[in-house]
Amino acid sequence: GQQLNQSPQSMFIQEGEDVSMNCTSSSIFNTWLWYKQEPGEGPVLLIALYKAGELTSNGRLTAQFGITRKDSFLNISASIPSDVGIYFCAGQINDYKLSFGAGTTVTVRA
Amino acid sequence: GAVVSQHPSWVICKSGTSVKIECRSLDFQATTMFWYRQFPKQSLMLMATSNEGSKATYEQGVEKDKFLINHASLTLSTLTVTSAHPEDSSFYICSAPYYEQYFGPGTRLTVT
Repeated sequence: GQQLNQSPQSMFIQEGEDVSMNCTSSSIFNTWLWYKQEPGEGPVLLIALYKAGELTSNGRLTAQFGITRKDSFLNISASIPSDVGIYFCAGQINDYKLSFGAGTTVTVRA
Repeated sequence: GAVVSQHPSWVICKSGTSVKIECRSLDFQATTMFWYRQFPKQSLMLMATSNEGSKATYEQGVEKDKFLINHASLTLSTLTVTSAHPEDSSFYICSAPYYEQYFGPGTRLTVT
C-alpha cells in the first residue's frame, strides 16, 4: 500500500506532558486509524476516524481526521509512563487493506 | 469483543523445515484475514490477504509458494512458511476486520 509519512520518528516524554504526532499522505483515505504497539505484541487499536474533519477522543487520546483526508494527528494529554510504546497511523480506502506509517517511538525521558 | 489470537506466540525452527502459524478470530467470523510481517524497528508490511473458501491474494514481491495461506473456516487462517531460511526470521502478525482491523498478538519466528 501507499506509504504514510509519520512524524516525529521518536520522542521523549516527561510525565504530565502533552505530546503530538501526525501522519500525512499524498493519497486520500476514507478511514484513519491509530494503533499502539508494545514490544513483542500486536498493534492495539486506539482510535478510528471516519469523516473528514472528525475529532475523536478516547480518554487522554485525541485524534483528528484532516479536512483534505490526507492527514491525521494524535495527541496524548498529561502523559504517563505507560504511554511508552510505538504509535502507528494507518490509512484505509475501502477494502480493509491498511497502509501504515513508519511509527513514532515514545519513550520516557530520564 | 473483536479478539484475534495467534498460535504459537514464538517458534524456533531449523533451516529447511516448514512452520505453520495459526490465526483465529475468537468472537466473530472473518471471511477475510490479513498477514503482515514486521522486522525490528520497522513498520508492518502486508504480505497477503487470506480469503475464506478461495485463494489468497499476495502482495507484490511475496512468494506465494513459500508462504502458503489456507483460510479453512470463517474463524481460522493459517500461514505456513515452507523451507524456512534465516532471512525468514521475523515477527508475523495477522489481522481480521470487525468494523475495523483487529490484530493478533504476533508470532516470533526464528530460523536457525
